[in-house]
Amino acid sequence: AQSVTQLGSHVSVSEGALVLLRCNYSSSVPPYLFWYVQYPNQGLQLLLKYTSAATLVKGINGFEAEFKKSETSFHLTKPSAHMSDAAEYFCAVSVRKGAQKLVFGQGTRLTINP
Amino acid sequence: EAQVTQNPRYLITVTGKKLTVTCSQNMNHEYMSWYRQDPGLGLRQIYYSMNVEVTDKGDVPEGYKVSRKEKRNFPLILESPSPNQTSLYFCASSFASSYNEQFFGPGTRLTVL
Repeated sequence: AQSVTQLGSHVSVSEGALVLLRCNYSSSVPPYLFWYVQYPNQGLQLLLKYTSAATLVKGINGFEAEFKKSETSFHLTKPSAHMSDAAEYFCAVSVRKGAQKLVFGQGTRLTINP
Repeated sequence: EAQVTQNPRYLITVTGKKLTVTCSQNMNHEYMSWYRQDPGLGLRQIYYSMNVEVTDKGDVPEGYKVSRKEKRNFPLILESPSPNQTSLYFCASSFASSYNEQFFGPGTRLTVL
C-alpha cells in the first residue's frame, strides 16, 4: 500500500532562510506526488505536482521540489522564506491508476521567525 | 469563479442528531471526495465518487453516508453522530485521473458533544 511520511511535524526558520520540508513515499508503482499548502482557516491549495516529466518541479510562490526515485523522496524547498509562507504543508501520493485517490502525509507546520 | 463550496462552515451538535454537510462544485468535475483532518494524522479519505450514482468507501467510512445524485453535489451524511466524529471535514473535486489536481473546499469544523 502507498504511504507518505513527512519528517518533522513542526519546522521553524528565520525570514530569508532556506526552507526544507521533507517527504518520503512508499509506492509499488511509479507515483504521482503533490505538495499542498493550507493557510489558517482555509482549504488546501496545490503548490506543485510531479507527474513523471521533469524530476525538478517548480510551483507557486517560489517553491520547488525534486523527485528522487533512489531515495523515494520528494522534498519541498524555497531558497528564501517569507513571513507569508507560514502555513501547514502536506505531501501526498496519488494511487490507483484511473482513480484520483490521494494518500496524505501527517503535515508539517512551518513557522517563520522575523 | 471556479470553486468548491461547503456548508455549514462550523457546526456544533449533540450525539445522535442526524446532520448533513453539503458540498458543491462548479467545475464539471467527475471525481468528488470527502476527507477528515485530525491533528497528527493528516487527511484521511472517507468516501469518494467517480461520477453520478457511483460512490465507494475510502479509508475511514464508518459512521458516514454519501450520495451523488447530481454531478455538482456530494453531500456527507452523519445519521447518528458520535464524539469521535468531531473533526475538520474537507470536500474535494477533480477531473477523473490520478495526476489531476484536486480542488478543496474551505472546510467544515464539526463538534459533536
